[in-house]
Amino acid sequence: EIVLTQSPGTLSLSPGERATLSCRASQSVSSSYLAWYQQKPGLAPRLLIYGASSRATGIPDRFSGSGSGTDFTLTISRLEPEDFAVYYCQQYGGSLRLTFGGGTKVEIK
Amino acid sequence: QVQLQESGPGLVKPSETLSLTCTVSGDSVSSGGYYWSWIRQSPGKGLEWIGYIYYNGATNYNPSLKSRVTISADTSKNQFSLKLSSVTAADTAVYYCARESVWNFYLEYWGQGTLVTVSS
Repeated sequence: EIVLTQSPGTLSLSPGERATLSCRASQSVSSSYLAWYQQKPGLAPRLLIYGASSRATGIPDRFSGSGSGTDFTLTISRLEPEDFAVYYCQQYGGSLRLTFGGGTKVEIK
Repeated sequence: QVQLQESGPGLVKPSETLSLTCTVSGDSVSSGGYYWSWIRQSPGKGLEWIGYIYYNGATNYNPSLKSRVTISADTSKNQFSLKLSSVTAADTAVYYCARESVWNFYLEYWGQGTLVTVSS
C-alpha cells in the first residue's frame, strides 16, 4: 500500500500570499499518476492537477504542481478568496490501486 | 459537459446491502477510454477508492472491500451501480461516483455525492 502524507495539516494565509502544499509518498510514485484536488464544504473534490504538473481544464495558472519520486508539491502563487479550501493529493499504484492523502486545509489567516 | 448524479437510500440498516446508482450524461458508460468509479469519504478514513467498471464489463475493487462490493452497469439507461453488502457503521460515508482516466488514473468528473448512514 502506498501511503500519501500531506503537510501541513492546516495552512493559515492571507489573500495574495503564496501557498505551498506538500505530498510525500511512502514509495516512489510515477509522476504520470499523481493528481491534486480541491474540495470545498459540501461539494465533491475538483480536479486541479494531473500528471503531477498538468493543469486540468479551466484551472487558473496560479495553480501549479511539481515533484517526482516520493515528493510532490502544489503551489498557489497568489491566494484568491475562492482558493480557501481543502486540498488532496492522489496516486495510482500499489496494492490499493488509488489512494489519497489526508488533506491540507488552507484557511484565511 | 459530462455530469454524474448519484441516487439511492440515505439510510441503511446494519448487516443489509447498500445500493447506489450513478446516472451519467454527456458521455456513455459503454464507450472506452474511461473507468466508471465509486469513491467514498468519511471523517475517519478520508477519501477511499471503492472500485470501477469498464465499458467491457471488467471490474476492479479495493482489496479491503472486495468481498462485499459489486459494481455493475446498465448501458440502456447509461447508469452504473454499487452494491456493498453486510454494512456496518464504518460504512457510513458520502459516496461519490466519478469518471476516471484509463491513461493517467485521475478522476476528472465527479457526482455531487450522497450521504449514506448505516444505523438501525
